[in-house]
Amino acid sequence: GENVEQHPSTLSVQEGDSAVIKCTYSDSASNYFPWYKQELGKGPQLIIDIRSNVGEKKDQRIAVTLNKTAKHFSLHITETQPEDSAVYFCAATTSHTGGFKTIFGAGTRLFVKA
Amino acid sequence: NAGVTQTPKFQVLKTGQSMTLQCAQDMNHEYMSWYRQDPGMGLRLIHYSVGAGITDQGEVPNGYNVSRSTTEDFPLRLLSAAPSQTSVYFCASSYRRTSGNTIYFGEGSWLTVV
Repeated sequence: GENVEQHPSTLSVQEGDSAVIKCTYSDSASNYFPWYKQELGKGPQLIIDIRSNVGEKKDQRIAVTLNKTAKHFSLHITETQPEDSAVYFCAATTSHTGGFKTIFGAGTRLFVKA
Repeated sequence: NAGVTQTPKFQVLKTGQSMTLQCAQDMNHEYMSWYRQDPGMGLRLIHYSVGAGITDQGEVPNGYNVSRSTTEDFPLRLLSAAPSQTSVYFCASSYRRTSGNTIYFGEGSWLTVV
């Protein structure tokens, strides 16, 4: 079945460094790719998303890139801060009759050391 | 707006017991869903609904029932709890049933089955 692979599972960086999280999806019909941040004890929250007709999107320190040919998409966080420490999930969404299906990656735990 | 509200936050069940996790949203969202989150496995879809009176199965529906009698409410029922259902459960909603709409998550319900 469809799946989304996410790497790495854990990432530790120094404050101010960049962090990159990579995902690969299997369903070529996927057309929407959101990224979620989950803080301890909370539900996931959307931080950025990209649609299949766009190759790159940036929002302040966060950017996402999409390579549809290779079925890869990545999250880039620049100038990391301690408050960026959280679990990040990528997801790939596919439309179908009557709704949509979103498959999540397994998550990346990001530690930003002050 | 309260967003997506889940109750209870924590619950301990004995094997074989039944219970209902409540979920309500006040954003007039069409699409509602339930996910479970297990370590190293990301978020997996249990059941979803694209409107009142309409429900469908997700990736891991066995052992769970849902109903959607109103737009606002989407309860998840565990019929006969098993230790394998120990997990964190998230209710979520989205404005429309189509791909590309932000998914809003509740705060989560921590369930332990002993």
